[in-house]
This record gives sequence, C-alpha cells and structure tokens, in this order.
Amino acid sequence: GAVVSQHPSWVICKSGTSVKIECRSLDFQATTMFWYRQFPKQSLMLMATSNEGSKATYEQGVEKDKFLINHASLTLSTLTVTSAHPEDSSFYICSASASESGNIQYFGAGTRLSVL
Amino acid sequence: AQSVTQPDIHITVSEGASLELRCNYSYGATPYLFWYVQSPGQGLQLLLKYFSGDTLVQGIKGFEAEFKRSQSSFNLRKPSVHWSDAAEYFCAVGADSGTYKYIFGTGTRLKVLA
Repeated sequence: GAVVSQHPSWVICKSGTSVKIECRSLDFQATTMFWYRQFPKQSLMLMATSNEGSKATYEQGVEKDKFLINHASLTLSTLTVTSAHPEDSSFYICSASASESGNIQYFGAGTRLSVL
Repeated sequence: AQSVTQPDIHITVSEGASLELRCNYSYGATPYLFWYVQSPGQGLQLLLKYFSGDTLVQGIKGFEAEFKRSQSSFNLRKPSVHWSDAAEYFCAVGADSGTYKYIFGTGTRLKVLA
C-alpha cells in the first residue's frame, strides 16, 4: 500500500517552454501533497505544500509564478515549471500524506528535468 | 529553531559489518521521527518511524532505530550490512502535525565494501 506514482521520470525541454509533472497517489487519498527539489548530492528542499482544493503554500524564496502547483483531486497533484531555463534543471520529487495515516509522507520516484 | 543534524556525510563499511547512522534533532515537543533511504536517481523509501511508545523501533530491510529523548537522537542501526544497502539515508522530523511538513537532515551517503 501507500504507492505514489510520479510521471515523467525524466524530461528534457528547450529553454522557454513549460513542463508539467504529475504526482498520483495510487491506493490512498492524499489530503496533502508536497513538492521538493533536490540538487546533486544534497538534501531535499521543500518547495510547496498543497491541499486538495486549496491554493498551494509556497516556501520562502520559491517563485509561485514559476512553479505552478495544482491539487485538483485527492489523488493527483501537478507541478508545472513555466518558461523553464537551464537553472531550473534539477530532480523534483513529490510526496503524499493522508490524515488517517498520521504524519507519514510517501514519496514518488522523482522527475529529472533537464532544460537545454 | 527546529533542525535535524546528520553529522556524518559519508560512511564506508565492509559488507557484513554493523552500521550506525547518527541523527540528532532539535524540536520543542515530542517529535515524529523518520528514516528514509534513497537509491541513486530514485525517490525516498520509508525505513521506519517513531511516533510514541517503545523507543526501539523495527523497520524494513533489517534496520532498527532507537529514540533517546535525553540525547535528542534517533540513530539508525543494522547488525550486518549488505552490499545492496549502499544508498543515501535521510533522517527527518515531522515538524508540524497540522501541515505534515518534514525537516530533513542533510543525509548520510553509505558505501559498502565487498
């Protein structure tokens, strides 16, 4: 149980284009989803927290207009990197938690974004 | 301020040897504590968690961790390491039960020698 699927696993795009990453909880309803960014050989940096049907809460320093987050249902959240630039290249990881399972986050496998 | 410290950036052990990864936290209340493992290019897998009760918790893959309130520690242990245990290990504290946010440590990279 508690499987989180993230798609795509790897995406390459041209500078200036937008990229959408999907995060799905496959076997539970995720009341809260999180989006992280991870630089090589570093820890995870929380970008934003999203609750179903609500606007995402962004961490300090994260551009809301650059990283659009939508949590339209209890099983799906999307992160759209708008007008991507090479400095947005990174490993993006989502996680999901459910209120009935307490304070446990289940993670997707991550998406590697390369912006040319 | 709330924080999680993993003092060891890299650890190298021989296969079959015992392992202990250190984690110290700073948190005002009783924390929710977690250990996750990340293989290269992958997401994080939950190894074990501590919410309350028995301070020695058992996890998957033969790992265990002990919560010591007096030392603000939650060290991860394994009696005999396998080559497949080579990975990055992250300790995390659930900082806010209302939002379910975590504070992660900086991670410990484990290398296993054959």
